[in-house]
Amino acid sequence: TQLLEQSPQFLSIQEGENLTVYCNSSSVFSSLQWYRQEPGEGPVLLVTVVTGGEVKKLKRLTFQFGDARKDSSLHITAAQPGDTGLYLCAGDPGGFKTIFGAGTRLFVKA
Amino acid sequence: GAVVSQHPSRVICKSGTSVKIECRSLDFQATTMFWYRQFPKQSLMLMATSNEGSKATYEQGVEKDKFLINHASLTLSTLTVTSAHPEDSSFYICSARDSLRQIQETQYFGPGTRLLVL
Repeated sequence: TQLLEQSPQFLSIQEGENLTVYCNSSSVFSSLQWYRQEPGEGPVLLVTVVTGGEVKKLKRLTFQFGDARKDSSLHITAAQPGDTGLYLCAGDPGGFKTIFGAGTRLFVKA
Repeated sequence: GAVVSQHPSRVICKSGTSVKIECRSLDFQATTMFWYRQFPKQSLMLMATSNEGSKATYEQGVEKDKFLINHASLTLSTLTVTSAHPEDSSFYICSARDSLRQIQETQYFGPGTRLLVL
């Protein structure tokens, strides 16, 4: 079974702290996507990483794709309450069917 | 770009009735769309893959006759929950892949439809 393991599952932090969310697999992915979902809404695409070792920045969010294209991380600097949400990683290991991680539920307290 | 809409956003129906949910890609063509179900505080559960002009592919455990999927055009897929029961109450989300984009694995999600069956 091809899985994307996300950790941590839940994270509650104070405003201003940094955090990292991990997405790991034993499978190689041609690309990985990160989404953020707020309650009652659909997931919103944050980034797609394609190249092994790639680093992409989106304001205070930094995304990294592992050299072997089996894992990815999302780092948030100086978290804000607006960052609160469910973060999902997703990827297609070549079977034309995207698999999703279980998600990381982030709560940033003011 | 890459906007996906869903209609309705919320629906309440009586047990035994059928409910149709529409998923549209507004500014791109989508030969493939996906239907997901999401339970509270959980990740997405893929129900079926909808391919334009052909039959949908259902995931194991998803009843084809219960959840009818039609993908009649490159911008529209519909999910009909037939003879709905309270246990079908859930958050249903569709997504679409842009057929012409270089990174075709990326999915763009609709805003979801909250179904409540009384």
